[in-house]
Amino acid sequence: EDKVVQSPLSLVVHEGDTVTLNCSYEVTNFRSLLWYKQEKKAPTFLFMLTSSGIEKKSGRLSSILDKKELFSILNITATQTGDSAIYLCAVGEYGNKLVFGAGTILRVKS
Amino acid sequence: DSGVTQTPKHLITATGQRVTLRCSPRSGDLSVYWYQQSLDQGLQFLIQYYNGEERAKGNILERFSAQQFPDLHSELNLSSLELGDSALYFCASSRSTGTSYEQYFGPGTRLTVT
Repeated sequence: EDKVVQSPLSLVVHEGDTVTLNCSYEVTNFRSLLWYKQEKKAPTFLFMLTSSGIEKKSGRLSSILDKKELFSILNITATQTGDSAIYLCAVGEYGNKLVFGAGTILRVKS
Repeated sequence: DSGVTQTPKHLITATGQRVTLRCSPRSGDLSVYWYQQSLDQGLQFLIQYYNGEERAKGNILERFSAQQFPDLHSELNLSSLELGDSALYFCASSRSTGTSYEQYFGPGTRLTVT
């Protein structure tokens, strides 16, 4: 059965800290890995990764994929209270299905 | 704002009833996906339509059905509702079909079945 596992389940940090969120997967026909940020309601798209070793960056957020070891990390540097959210990892298979992990709940304290 | 719209925002109904959730994709997007998010199950893929045709099915119950209309908006129909159907229902859209295209999510419809 296809599986996406995120760790840690939850995390509390102080403003200015750097955090690393992990996502490991076991899927039959990997196509892409996506990160989303979910605040009050809708997941907001952050990154899509398809190739190993190529870092994607957006401001203080960055992500990288390792297709050999079947995992991805999402880094957030200089965290702010506005980064508090649930971070979701999803893996896209050949076809049209996205399999989501349970998410990491991040809380940034001021 | 992702550009995906969903109505209604909230829906409260009784067991056994039927409801329809509506989604309009981003301008130019041909694919629509439906997801269910509950506390114990996380975000679960239900079904996908591409340009009016069903393309993929996930964990969708037989009591649930969906369609995509010529103007590309989509409706998710939930019937014979049970308490366990209470959840957030999201619609997402993407430019084309296949998981090489990022999906953008709408604000969701919160369904409460009493």
